[in-house]
Parts: sequence; C-alpha cells; structure tokens
Amino acid sequence: KNEVEQSPQNLTAQEGEFITINCSYSVGISALHWLQQHPGGGIVSLFMLSSGKKKHGRLIATINIQEKHSSLHITASHPRDSAVYICAVLGGNQFYFGTGTSLTVIP
Amino acid sequence: GAVVSQHPSRVICKSGTSVKIECRSLDFQATTMFWYRQFPKQSLMLMATSNEGSKATYEQGVEKDKFLINHASLTLSTLTVTSAHPEDSSFYICSAGQEGYEQYFGPGTRLTVT
Repeated sequence: KNEVEQSPQNLTAQEGEFITINCSYSVGISALHWLQQHPGGGIVSLFMLSSGKKKHGRLIATINIQEKHSSLHITASHPRDSAVYICAVLGGNQFYFGTGTSLTVIP
Repeated sequence: GAVVSQHPSRVICKSGTSVKIECRSLDFQATTMFWYRQFPKQSLMLMATSNEGSKATYEQGVEKDKFLINHASLTLSTLTVTSAHPEDSSFYICSAGQEGYEQYFGPGTRLTVT
C-alpha cells in the first residue's frame, strides 16, 4: 500500500470548470507539497502546507491534519493548467510521493 | 519563495561516459538535499539523502558507486552518474532545505544516454 494516495489518476475537464484533486496519506508528516509537472518534465512547487489553507491565484490548497487529507482546487480552469499534479508529504526526513493526477483541460 | 536550480536542464551523453548534475540553493543554505529519479509515467522515487559535510544515505536498491553524490557546501550538491547506460536515462530532480520541513524542489534534469 502506498503511503500517499491521490485521486483521481486522470481527469479531463472543460475550460472554466472547477477542479479538485485529492490526496490522502497514512504517515505522520511535517509538511505536504503540491507539485505541478508539465509535459517535458519540469517540476514547479505550487504549495507547501502544514496546516489550514493557502491560495495563489486560481489555485487553492487545503489540508486537514487530523483526517490526513489534502485537496488542491483549481478555479476557472484553463488549458494551460493541463499537467500532472503530484502530492508529496515529508514524514520524518523522507518524502513520500503520490502517483500523480494527470489533468487535461479542454478549450 | 526559496529557489533551487539544477544544471543542466537537459543532457545527452554516450554510453560509458559520466555526467554530473548540479543542484544549487540560490538564496538559502541547505543542510539537506534529496535526489529523486522519475521513470516515464511514474512518480518520483527517492534515491538518496545528502547532508552537507557527510556521506549521502542511499535508498535500498540504489548503487552508491554508480550514483555519486557530493554535498560539499551548504548551497551545492552534485549527482554524478558514472559509466552511464541507456537504462540510466531518466528525469533527475533534487530538493533542498534545512532541518525540518522547508524543502524546495529543483526543476529537474533530463538525462538521455545513447
């Protein structure tokens, strides 16, 4: 069993739709990261969370430490949001990664 | 936010040669750096943990003589893939931070071994 589970694995949305990607983890963590990986592989760190909620532009990330769950929301999705989104948690001195959610936003 | 850079972003090398990848923290001192590898259509896999001034700790199954890691300063760690083979072709990513949870990811380096 993976320490980090993401859902859905694949997601196709129409431009403008509200998108939610979920991440559940089973280990004790000190921080959770949401990463974005565009075709070609470049990684961009979107958020680092240890509690509560963060917002950056159209992106919102929340975390519930008690439930060991985090969500990444994208409002007013756009084709340029098409990418793989990866949830990563730092537990102890080790990162655990989700398998990623492949998002395609259709114009 | 803190910035971590990697160099080069892409490299193509011939089988049998060695290639060095640099990971730099640009505006902070990183006591710990992690190196990851990503196979096509798979998530990131931790290769090793690098602490400044000491030997790297490798994950099970990662050959330390093949993937040489040096963390000589608080702003630079290097990963050298020695005697590269086509199966070493992959996407290599580093993250850097201090003790605790502040880890920042580099943009990655795509290695192709021909």
